[in-house]
Amino acid sequence: DTAVSQTPKYLVTQMGNDKSIKCEQNLGHDTMYWYKQDSKKFLKIMFSYNNKELIINETVPNRFSPKSPDKAHLNLHINSLELGDSAVYFCASSQGTKGNTIYFGEGSWLTVV
Amino acid sequence: SQQGEEDPQALSIQEGENATMNCSYKTSINNLQWYRQNSGRGLVHLILIRSNEREKHSGRLRVTLDTSKKSSSLLITASRAADTASYFCAPRDDKIIFGKGTRLHILP
Repeated sequence: DTAVSQTPKYLVTQMGNDKSIKCEQNLGHDTMYWYKQDSKKFLKIMFSYNNKELIINETVPNRFSPKSPDKAHLNLHINSLELGDSAVYFCASSQGTKGNTIYFGEGSWLTVV
Repeated sequence: SQQGEEDPQALSIQEGENATMNCSYKTSINNLQWYRQNSGRGLVHLILIRSNEREKHSGRLRVTLDTSKKSSSLLITASRAADTASYFCAPRDDKIIFGKGTRLHILP
């Protein structure tokens, strides 16, 4: 059973489109995250939700909007996609926000053309 | 929150040799974690060392922590081809921020 699953795994889309990436965790964790890994492999945190409440919102364009319908799901919606949005997006989860292990999904490869 | 900085950025060694990676950070932590990322995959947690611990072992992994120097090291003994991956340290206070990692390549 996959602990943190995200879909789609690969996504190729044109500039200007709107797309969503979905994430679900079955670990019973109360905290979920979105990370972005660019071509240089630098992993940056974007958002974090604890019990469906937004607790981390790094400097991310407003075109990115996370939505957490419940503790097990954290979706990422991206409006008006740009070339620079091409990256791998990782969903992750943990129990609590301080000091606990983070479990990652397998990533969603987004290519904007 | 703070970011760990791994050193070296890249490391190539022969299979069977030991690999050592270092991590430095800036402020006090609750614990420090090491993660591995295989090419095309998500990060996987390897080991956690608490701030009051100095050394920890897990299989072929040995982690040290020096809070006075704000540094940690990860030693992989008897390296294997499957150890080829990127390794990230994560000094943990309230949120994890990852550095650029060390890219380890095990040569056959």
